[in-house]
Amino acid sequence: RKEVEQDPGPFNVPEGATVAFNCTYSNSASQSFFWYRQDCRKEPKLLMSVYSSGNEDGRFTAQLNRASQYISLLIRDSKLSDSATYLCVVNHDAGMNDMRFGAGTRLTVKP
Amino acid sequence: EAQVTQNPRYLITVTGKKLTVTCSQNMNHEYMSWYRQDPGLGLRQIYYSMNVEVTDKGDVPEGYKVSRKEKRNFPLILESPSPNQTSLYFCASSLYSWPGYNEQFFGPGTRLTVL
Repeated sequence: RKEVEQDPGPFNVPEGATVAFNCTYSNSASQSFFWYRQDCRKEPKLLMSVYSSGNEDGRFTAQLNRASQYISLLIRDSKLSDSATYLCVVNHDAGMNDMRFGAGTRLTVKP
Repeated sequence: EAQVTQNPRYLITVTGKKLTVTCSQNMNHEYMSWYRQDPGLGLRQIYYSMNVEVTDKGDVPEGYKVSRKEKRNFPLILESPSPNQTSLYFCASSLYSWPGYNEQFFGPGTRLTVL
C-alpha cells in the first residue's frame, strides 16, 4: 500500500463547479498535512496546510479525518486558473521533517 | 527575493558521465532535500539534510551523492548516471528540520535525460 494515495483523475469540470479531492495516508502517527499545487512543468507550491479542525481559505476548504486517515480538499466556484495538479502531502514521521507526497490529482477547469 | 535556485534547468547527458546539479537557497533554511518526480509515482525523496554536515538517505538514494558544506548549498551528484535516472529533479528547503507545519519551498526543477 502506498503511503499517500490520491485519485489521479483527471477531473474535468466546468467553470463555477464545486470539486472535491480525497487523499488517504497509511501512517497513523502522521502529524501534519498539506495540499500543494503544481502547474505543468513547474515546481510544487504550498496551497494550504490542513489542520485538525479543518480550515478554509477563500474558495478552498481542507478537512482532516484522523480516524479514517484521509484528508480532503474542496474547491468551490472553480476558475480556469485552478487548473493544475493537486498534491496531497503528509509529514510521515513524528520525529522529524519527512514529507511524503501523493502522485497528485489533475484538475482541468473548462469554460 | 527569497528563493531556491537550481542549475542547470535542463541537461542531456550520456551514461557514465559524472554530473552535478547545484541547489542554493537564500532563506537561511536549516532543512534541504532532493526529490525526483516520475509520472504516476509522485515526488520521491533522494537525500535530505537537517543541517550543515548532516545528510541522510531518503527513499531512493542509489546512484546519488550529496554534500552540505554550507547552509545555503546542497548539490546533487550523479557519479555514473544511467538511463533510469532520467527524471525531473527538485531541490527543496524549509526553515526547520523538526516536524510541524513547515512549508517546503521548491526550486524550479532540473529536467535530466540520460542517454
